[in-house]
Amino acid sequence: QSALTQPRSVSGSPGQSVTISCTGSGTDVGAYDYVSWYQHHAGEAPKLLIYDVVERPSGVPSRFSGSKSGNTASLTISGLLPDDDSDYFCCSYAGSYTWVFGGGTKLTVL
Amino acid sequence: QVQLQESGPGLVKPSQTLSLTCSVSGGSLNRGPYCWNWIRQSAGRGLEWIGRFQSGVTANYNPAFMNRVTISANTATNQISLKLTSVTAADTAMYYCARVDISLAVDAFDVWGPGTMVTVSS
Repeated sequence: QSALTQPRSVSGSPGQSVTISCTGSGTDVGAYDYVSWYQHHAGEAPKLLIYDVVERPSGVPSRFSGSKSGNTASLTISGLLPDDDSDYFCCSYAGSYTWVFGGGTKLTVL
Repeated sequence: QVQLQESGPGLVKPSQTLSLTCSVSGGSLNRGPYCWNWIRQSAGRGLEWIGRFQSGVTANYNPAFMNRVTISANTATNQISLKLTSVTAADTAMYYCARVDISLAVDAFDVWGPGTMVTVSS
């Protein structure tokens, strides 16, 4: 059981948008604007998509966007592509130099 | 471009110490505003942040591992090590090392290794 709760799976068709939620508490997601999101293809190193809730590192397409409301952060992927079929997980700062992660969500592009 | 590569024994006996190494290439542990983290992923517990090392700063650990974990760095070999004592089957997981670029953000784990699988079994 992970500290942050994510749906086990979501799906969408090419061109559509999907949103993945990440629910924490008032001591992590709700307390800090330090939420990040990662894409993880099996067998590869995870890739940073979003940090500081809404910021994208250089090279990450604008199709990936982040937001937060209260204790829940969200990752939205618009204009789904076949290569977006992957696992996605969130991470939040939890104070006192500690971090917590979500359990991960499997995105299936139909 | 910095790359990370985890290594270590794939099988550890219960009650023994798990020792892993993360080799850093394309950059130096001594340079840059970076901290170096260990994270693991298991079927039962999902992803867990274990702890981090930053040059010149005391290491920080997840309280869940506090009495069992040590993270340190060898600047001569450009490697970060993880030692986890008194392991049980619950420590069976894929272990990752990951870098945080503090100049970018405290939550930006921007470089990851591919991970190394550790099984705890007799």
